[in-house]
Amino acid sequence: GAVVSQHPSWVICKSGTSVKIECRSLDFQATTMFWYRQFPKQSLMLMATSNEGSKATYEQGVEKDKFLINHASLTLSTLTVTSAHPEDSSFYICSAGGTVNQPQHFGDGTRLSIL
Amino acid sequence: AQSVAQPEDQVNVAEGNPLTVKCTYSVSGNPYLFWYVQYPNRGLQFLLKYITGDNLVKGSYGFEAEFNKSQTSFHLKKPSALVSDSALYFCAVRDDASGATNKLIFGTGTLLAVQP
Repeated sequence: GAVVSQHPSWVICKSGTSVKIECRSLDFQATTMFWYRQFPKQSLMLMATSNEGSKATYEQGVEKDKFLINHASLTLSTLTVTSAHPEDSSFYICSAGGTVNQPQHFGDGTRLSIL
Repeated sequence: AQSVAQPEDQVNVAEGNPLTVKCTYSVSGNPYLFWYVQYPNRGLQFLLKYITGDNLVKGSYGFEAEFNKSQTSFHLKKPSALVSDSALYFCAVRDDASGATNKLIFGTGTLLAVQP
């Protein structure tokens, strides 16, 4: 079946640094990928839609300059959390693939902890 | 606007008993409905979907769901729960009137706890 790989699975870093998270579709091409944020015991919040070869579409309230998304190829999208602060600590999940009536495939998530 | 409601934050059931996790939805067009399961510190795994056709949909790990158009519901069910079914379950919907986007709208999730 379709596999989405997300890396790293866990990252701890100091406040003020930037962190890059990768999302790869391993056995299929994805013109669209999605980035979600999940707080403890809460649902997924869609942050943005990553579009291959064009700008990402951000959801209302998500800071574009804070969460940089790049989708340079059909198999890779990256989310960079710039100048990270403790309030950015969260579980970030990407998904790829699917169509209107086919399921998306999710990565295993990245636990980001900012000290 | 599209929306999904999962009215129960948590469902507790004894192993071997049937389980139901509730989901209702609101869309302007025809719904495409999905159930996903999430284990701790993992991404979401697809369980089953309803697009069209039979109202009773069978999916992975013995789960099934029943689409009820009049009640706008898509409850997840399993005849006999296992301890290993304990996880967080998400209902999601896409609206065929929403254009080309395949963006999913998720419910708030229901934590299923199966006691031995």
